[in-house]
Amino acid sequence: ETGVTQSPTHLIKTRGQQVTLRCSSQSGHNTVSWYQQALGQGPQFIFQYYREEENGRGNFPPRFSGLQFPNYSSELNVNALELDDSALYLCASSLVADTDTQYFGPGTRLTVL
Amino acid sequence: AQSVTQLGSHVSVSEGALVLLRCNYSSSVPPYLFWYVQYPNQGLQLLLKYTTGATLVKGINGFEAEFKKSETSFHLTKPSAHMSDAAEYFCAVSFGNQFYFGTGTSLTVIP
Repeated sequence: ETGVTQSPTHLIKTRGQQVTLRCSSQSGHNTVSWYQQALGQGPQFIFQYYREEENGRGNFPPRFSGLQFPNYSSELNVNALELDDSALYLCASSLVADTDTQYFGPGTRLTVL
Repeated sequence: AQSVTQLGSHVSVSEGALVLLRCNYSSSVPPYLFWYVQYPNQGLQLLLKYTTGATLVKGINGFEAEFKKSETSFHLTKPSAHMSDAAEYFCAVSFGNQFYFGTGTSLTVIP
């Protein structure tokens, strides 16, 4: 049990819509990272937040955005959904003093039709 | 550019046999290296990590991995496979705050 939760577990959207995915980190974990895991692939780094500011970004367009809140929760927002956005979205939290140790949530499965 | 290659997308072993999952990395600087396991419908769980120091790293559930700089490898081993080891395994490298994962190896354990 990692203590990292994500909601919802599954989500179905249509192309062009917007979606918000949520993550609740372990208490005291002030760094959160988001990943996209397409079917049969490894997770791809989207971005990381630390103290409510973006602290690094992978090769994802600006329509992928995030928020981090003081209560250790965070959001991933995706605008103008495309079919290729269908994937498992994972969040992972860590302590800033030990960002190498990430604790992953179970993920949100997003299907875009 | 940093990358991770996992050789063999599917590996099958008999229960009690040696498990060997291969991982090679490409990096211009010494990386931090990780192995994660993912069970169906779950997130990733850290098995072990190498940052600095001893190149043979022991992790949870009897797994271990050896960092070989000359071979740019970080292969995962376990002396005796259990049925509960059946899962997807991911090798990863980190540079600063960015992680790069391999495409994964699905381990099947045959009774």
